[in-house]
Amino acid sequence: NAGVTQTPKFQVLKTGQSMTLQCAQDMNHEYMSWYRQDPGMGLRLIHYSVGAGITDQGEVPNGYNVSRSTTEDFPLRLLSAAPSQTSVYFCASSYPTSGRRSEQFFGPGTRLTVL
Amino acid sequence: DAKTTQPPSMDCAEGRAANLPCNHSTISGNEYVYWYRQIHSQGPQYIIHGLKNNETNEMASLIITEDRKSSTLILPHATLRDTAVYYCIVRPPWGSGNTGKLIFGQGTTLQVKP
Repeated sequence: NAGVTQTPKFQVLKTGQSMTLQCAQDMNHEYMSWYRQDPGMGLRLIHYSVGAGITDQGEVPNGYNVSRSTTEDFPLRLLSAAPSQTSVYFCASSYPTSGRRSEQFFGPGTRLTVL
Repeated sequence: DAKTTQPPSMDCAEGRAANLPCNHSTISGNEYVYWYRQIHSQGPQYIIHGLKNNETNEMASLIITEDRKSSTLILPHATLRDTAVYYCIVRPPWGSGNTGKLIFGQGTTLQVKP
């Protein structure tokens, strides 16, 4: 298994540009989510999905859109990039359970700079 | 969501056990305690989780007090590669309004020294 993959690894945008961060997993996980991590901070949830066709907002959703057309993919779209969106973005996936196999798997991250 | 309190930093000698404490005094009866770590800006990595009983896996042991208000993560033989930020997270079970969200605090920076 490749686990959770994210592309690109690095990206520089100008203010106002839009782009899509890609996330894919090959573990057949129903649950997928996006976090951002600012320097010296913990991760904050942006959006999440409990299955194909179902998405919902996390704690910092403004300026981001998501869609979930397949179980495997969960892209994050920046509508009009702002310097405040400079951050490291992590995608995660898991089974929606609390017992064994409930751990979330994280991707390697996308480092985004908005000038 | 229950909040957790961890010391900001700890040191440990290589080969020794690392004991990382976490306070979660407002934890509810059905909330789980999870531990993750983040090595130098990589994606967080799951370590272990538990509800009431102590748990052990190939990476670590988790000791939860009887009143469940605190827990300790034990890395039995720390190596230099265990240097990381360790996060203690309390999470309600699925099916109880849980969005799957993991609330990451500041964590404990563990420095393993040779």
